[in-house]
Amino acid sequence: AQTVTQSQPEMSVQEAETVTLSCTYDTSESDYYLFWYKQPPSRQMILVIRQEAYKQQNATENRFSVNFQKAAKSFSLKISDSQLGDAAMYFCAYRSPFSGNMLTFGGGTRLMVKP
Amino acid sequence: GAGVSQTPSNKVTEKGKYVELRCDPISGHTALYWYRQSLGQGPEFLIYFQGTGAADDSGLPNDRFFAVRPEGSVSTLKIQRTERGDSAVYLCASSLTYRDGYTFGSGTRLTVV
Repeated sequence: AQTVTQSQPEMSVQEAETVTLSCTYDTSESDYYLFWYKQPPSRQMILVIRQEAYKQQNATENRFSVNFQKAAKSFSLKISDSQLGDAAMYFCAYRSPFSGNMLTFGGGTRLMVKP
Repeated sequence: GAGVSQTPSNKVTEKGKYVELRCDPISGHTALYWYRQSLGQGPEFLIYFQGTGAADDSGLPNDRFFAVRPEGSVSTLKIQRTERGDSAVYLCASSLTYRDGYTFGSGTRLTVV
């Protein structure tokens, strides 16, 4: 079974600075997708960024980028120029077409942004 | 609708009662998923529908939990004889294909007292 681990229960960053959230996963499959979701107090999970395992190039979406290390099974999220609105729970998730397509989530990291 | 709609937003019920949670996915999304999120944890998979049929119900914790999607659109998660341990946020999501990210609803917070 696939597992996703987020080792940082909480992280804090000063507004306008950069923060990196860590995620590792375990799988024996070769084709899969990795995601970062943001969950504000409204509870709705919002897709931040995704990465296909077969693509070597790291995904980027505006201030959000990932460092995907396939051999190390690591998938970290970098948030640049942090804003107060970035404060939320962040979940790393794994999905594979060989595993029923369901998302397997990590335990989450609470990000606090200090003004 | 434009997004995934879940009703009710909050539900308080007494131990032993029956509850139904509703999910209205994005129009045209054939895949629909239910997840359960306990306090301080990541969501856990419950069941996945492809069209009207349950393609994978391996995450349902026991036979008190059941879900339907009779017309391939709206889905209802049904919980019989609720227990305090069922208290959680129940999230629904839909997607067009497996390559797409999900679109989640805002969830139903179920509290069993």
